[in-house]
Amino acid sequence: DTAVSQTPKYLVTQMGNDKSIKCEQNLGHDTMYWYKQDSKKFLKIMFSYNNKELIINETVPNRFSPKSPDKAHLNLHINSLELGDSAVYFCASSRTGRTNEKLFFGSGTQLSVL
Amino acid sequence: DQQVKQNSPSLSVQEGRISILNCDYTNSMFDYFLWYKKYPAEGPTFLISISSIKDKNEDGRFTVFLNKSAKHLSLHIVPSQPGDSAVYFCAASVYNFNKFYFGSGTKLNVKP
Repeated sequence: DTAVSQTPKYLVTQMGNDKSIKCEQNLGHDTMYWYKQDSKKFLKIMFSYNNKELIINETVPNRFSPKSPDKAHLNLHINSLELGDSAVYFCASSRTGRTNEKLFFGSGTQLSVL
Repeated sequence: DQQVKQNSPSLSVQEGRISILNCDYTNSMFDYFLWYKKYPAEGPTFLISISSIKDKNEDGRFTVFLNKSAKHLSLHIVPSQPGDSAVYFCAASVYNFNKFYFGSGTKLNVKP
């Protein structure tokens, strides 16, 4: 039973399209995150939600919009996809979102924009 | 501007020997550090952590050392096993913010 699961695993799409990535955690955690692994392999935080409330919102184009229908789900919607959006996107969760908590990651979604 | 750096993209070690993975950071406010291990097509999984009030933390074959004055931490794996072959990421956060800054990873290959 996967703790943090995200779908799809691979996403290939054309520039200009709108796409969504879904994430679900069954750990009972309060906080969920989206990280982006860029071409240089750094993992960079994009957003975090605590109990459906936006906590961290990094400098990310507003084409990216997270949606948290409940604390077990955090979806990422991307409008008007651009070539530079190609990356691996990881969803993660932590127990409370307070300091010094380890993150539990999903297996990633590889997005390729053509 | 990357605040956490792993300057060795890869490392190759013989089975049974010690693997030493290094990580440098620039932000002196970082006070909590973690190492994650990542296999291909999987997400990173937590390996070991250290708080800034310590300079060493051990868990089985894995030991993390922290040198705050040098803003440097290292992960030692002794003895290395082929199953340790993976990409290792270090990450750091500032107290009271569960926002982690990650390095770019070091790919470890342990040869049988």
